[in-house]
Amino acid sequence: GAGVSQSPSNKVTEKGKDVELRCDPISGHTALYWYRQSLGQGLEFLIYFQGNSAPDKSGLPSDRFSAERTGGSVSTLTIQRTQQEDSAVYLCASSLGGLRYGYTFGSGTRLTVV
Amino acid sequence: GQNIDQPTEMTATEGAIVQINCTYQTSGFNGLFWYQQHAGEAPTFLSYNVLDGLEEKGRFSSFLSRSKGYSYLLLKELQMKDSASYLCAGDQTGANNLFFGTGTRLTVIP
Repeated sequence: GAGVSQSPSNKVTEKGKDVELRCDPISGHTALYWYRQSLGQGLEFLIYFQGNSAPDKSGLPSDRFSAERTGGSVSTLTIQRTQQEDSAVYLCASSLGGLRYGYTFGSGTRLTVV
Repeated sequence: GQNIDQPTEMTATEGAIVQINCTYQTSGFNGLFWYQQHAGEAPTFLSYNVLDGLEEKGRFSSFLSRSKGYSYLLLKELQMKDSASYLCAGDQTGANNLFFGTGTRLTVIP
């Protein structure tokens, strides 16, 4: 598509429930990133996918967080047993093949855990 | 790791010039990005500096001093639509991700 598409744009969930956030990157972009943006915080790196390589999961805050990227395209970020501190905007970005090409971000999913 | 610092908020007048500073402390520093983010929207790429000096793109310019660990974004002829958050982010050798500051919220007033 023309840009990075994320869904849903907003999600309200009850504490303890699982949620899935979806990212559809720009066609042909081999690199895909997930970041989290909390109020008053900088963007926090979560996970990075590059082609068929093993993902860099070093930013995932706990084992409740996981992500997949199927067929080198669409990615799903799953948060299990959500907690209130998981409330944030989850941003997905893609790029042609690395940081120096610059990211294109999606508009994010605003997650609210109540 | 990286430590990126930038002011939290700034206010400037329409038509004026504003400079948003960013300092960083990092090992293996490669370069520095600036992104613009309007409220509720995706961050959009503004600039990437690797070499020392000033790079100009229309009303926006970005400066880098590697020896001082310092960058700034310069916005000229401010317009109301420039009200947004400006994110400074560092690029580190061996890291797959960018390291972002907390962002500077710029408010342009008439």
